[in-house]
Amino acid sequence: GAGVSQSPRYKVAKRGQDVALRCDPISGHVSLFWYQQALGQGPEFLTYFQNEAQLDKSGLPSDRFFAERPEGSVSTLKIQRTQQEDSAVYLCASSNTFLTGDSDFNYGYTFGSGTRLTVV
Amino acid sequence: GIQVEQSPPDLILQEGANSTLRCNFSDSVNNLQWFHQNPWGQLINLFYIPSGTKQNGRLSATTVATERYSLLYISSSQTTDSGVYFCRGGENAGNMLTFGGGTRLMVKP
Repeated sequence: GAGVSQSPRYKVAKRGQDVALRCDPISGHVSLFWYQQALGQGPEFLTYFQNEAQLDKSGLPSDRFFAERPEGSVSTLKIQRTQQEDSAVYLCASSNTFLTGDSDFNYGYTFGSGTRLTVV
Repeated sequence: GIQVEQSPPDLILQEGANSTLRCNFSDSVNNLQWFHQNPWGQLINLFYIPSGTKQNGRLSATTVATERYSLLYISSSQTTDSGVYFCRGGENAGNMLTFGGGTRLMVKP
């Protein structure tokens, strides 16, 4: 597609409910990132995929958070047993280069509009 | 990890005014970007600028890597410039880069 698409745009979950957030990256983009952005804060890194391989999940805040990208395109971020502190905007970004440390690594780096999760 | 501080945290401008936003890093960086998050939440990549100066229309950015800071200049501001401006930096790869807390800009007509 023309951009990174995330769905749903808004999600309200009851505390304890499981949620699944979807990211459709730009077609052909190799790298995919998930970020969590709390109200009034900058985005914080959650996890990174290169194709279908999850190369870094160091930012996932707890084992209730799980991400997958089984076919190297669409990715899903799943949060189990949601808590109020999980309320945030979840952003996805994709890029058509590998993370090699090269100066052009972020060529085409594009964010989606995010999913705003509210846990009540 | 690296700490990224942005200033000012909030800025209100009259349309047509110029402004300078600053980003300070606690350690050396070889990768630095500026983003604009519009009121709808979309993060737009403005500049990739690990060093030197770049210009794009009314926006320009300068990074002085040896002194660990970067500046974003907005000239002749417009209401559509409103939103939050983030810098992000660090060493090498994207998963090791850190966002600053942002500068919230409001441009009044």
